Amino acid sequence: EPEVTQTPSHQVTQMGQEVILRCVPISNHLYFYWYRQILGQKVEFLVSFYNNEISEKSEIFDDQFSVERPDGSNFTLKIRSTKLEDSAMYFCASSRRGPAGNTIYFGEGSWLTVV
Amino acid sequence: AQTVTQSQPEMSVQEAETVTLSCTYDTSESDYYLFWYKQPPSRQMILVIRQEAYKQQNATENRFSVNFQKAAKSFSLKISDSQLGDAAMYFCAYRSLTSGTYKYIFGTGTRLKVLA
Repeated sequence: EPEVTQTPSHQVTQMGQEVILRCVPISNHLYFYWYRQILGQKVEFLVSFYNNEISEKSEIFDDQFSVERPDGSNFTLKIRSTKLEDSAMYFCASSRRGPAGNTIYFGEGSWLTVV
Repeated sequence: AQTVTQSQPEMSVQEAETVTLSCTYDTSESDYYLFWYKQPPSRQMILVIRQEAYKQQNATENRFSVNFQKAAKSFSLKISDSQLGDAAMYFCAYRSLTSGTYKYIFGTGTRLKVLA
C-alpha cells in the first residue's frame, strides 16, 4: 500500500539553526499538509499546499516557517531559526483531492528536538 | 470555531472484550467528516474509521464501529474483541466540508491500554 514517507525520523538541532524536514507524499496525491504534535498535546494543523502554493495556514505557521515542493516528489517544511518551543513531532500528510470528500494519509513523523 | 473534546485521557480493556471511546464536538455546520485515528508507539497516525455527517448509518470497519449521534454531536468509537495490537493513542478529528478549509481539528486523544 502506498504511504507517505518522511525524513529524518529524528533530528536534534541547536536553537537558532535552520531545519528542513522532508516528505515524499503518495504519488498520485495533489494536496499536501504539515501538522505538528508537541509531546503530550493534540495534533495541530500547520499548513496545506496545493498547485505550488499555500492554500491555508494556521496562526502557528508564522514567518519562521516555509514550505516548498522543489521537485515532482518531495515536499519540505523549513524552519528558519528554530526555537525551543519548536520541539515536536512533525507529520506530513497528503490527499488525492482537496477538502471535499477525501481522507488525508499521514507519514510516520519527524521528531524534532531543539536544544 | 469548531472544537473536538475527548474526555477520557486513558482507558483500559481486557483482551477480547469491548471498549468504547468517547468524542464530542462542537460545530454550527451541517456538512463535515469525522474521523478516528490511531497512533501506536511508532507514532504514525493511522486512519481507523471515517463518518460522513450526512449519512445516518454508522460506519463500521471490521472490529471497529462508531456511534454517530449528530444531534448530540457525539461520535464514539467501539472496539470489539480487543487485541493487544489495539493499544495506542486514539484521536478523534473533525473536518468541515462547508467552509473550504483543509485542516483537521483533533481532540486531545485517549490512550487505550489492552490488558492480557
